[in-house]
Amino acid sequence: ETGVTQTPRHLVMGMTNKKSLKCEQHLGHNAMYWYKQSAKKPLELMFVYSLEERVENNSVPSRFSPECPNSSHLFLHLHTLQPEDSALYLCASSQKQGNEQYFGPGTRLTVT
Amino acid sequence: AQSVTQLGSHVSVSEGALVLLRCNYSSSVPPYLFWYVQYPNQGLQLLLKYTTGATLVKGINGFEAEFKKSETSFHLTKPSAHMSDAAEYFCAVSLEWGAGNKLTFGGGTRVLVKP
Repeated sequence: ETGVTQTPRHLVMGMTNKKSLKCEQHLGHNAMYWYKQSAKKPLELMFVYSLEERVENNSVPSRFSPECPNSSHLFLHLHTLQPEDSALYLCASSQKQGNEQYFGPGTRLTVT
Repeated sequence: AQSVTQLGSHVSVSEGALVLLRCNYSSSVPPYLFWYVQYPNQGLQLLLKYTTGATLVKGINGFEAEFKKSETSFHLTKPSAHMSDAAEYFCAVSLEWGAGNKLTFGGGTRVLVKP
């Protein structure tokens, strides 16, 4: 595997379900990010981890819970989501103090 | 604070014609500037970036962009559109920030290429 991978690529879940999104980067980076991309809205930064420490949480509802067990892996745990949470969730990584972020292919989430 | 404005949410061009996507930014310090491309059902792919030095930046797939500080612009161009250029394009600005690197994205411009 190369670059940034995300699983699953597609997820349909009910409002009472609990699921997790996984991101893995194979680039040796030490900062990782979760973004939400909704139709007709700008890309929204949700969380930032640097050296496995959360450094930003952009007023994201508590039904989204991130986890970064090491510099290569990032999870987004989901529970009791709302239909408006349906979106493409993108993971990215970068070097600390680096410029470019490298994105994964995203997980298309549908909440029913 | 930093912000990015992309003029035009949709652009339609004929195959072989010039592609011009406009991006203006605001930043309190000299920025790093990026263009990303997103194909359907995929993540964002870096097209090119400006950090320092030469203001005309060449990227992948024949795209280039010019940083104009006086106009606070970073417009993206390609001389001749190809059908494979149909995608959504995002301009982004970055500052050196904390322990990471915060990107602020524009709203995106969707490009349609007509045969």
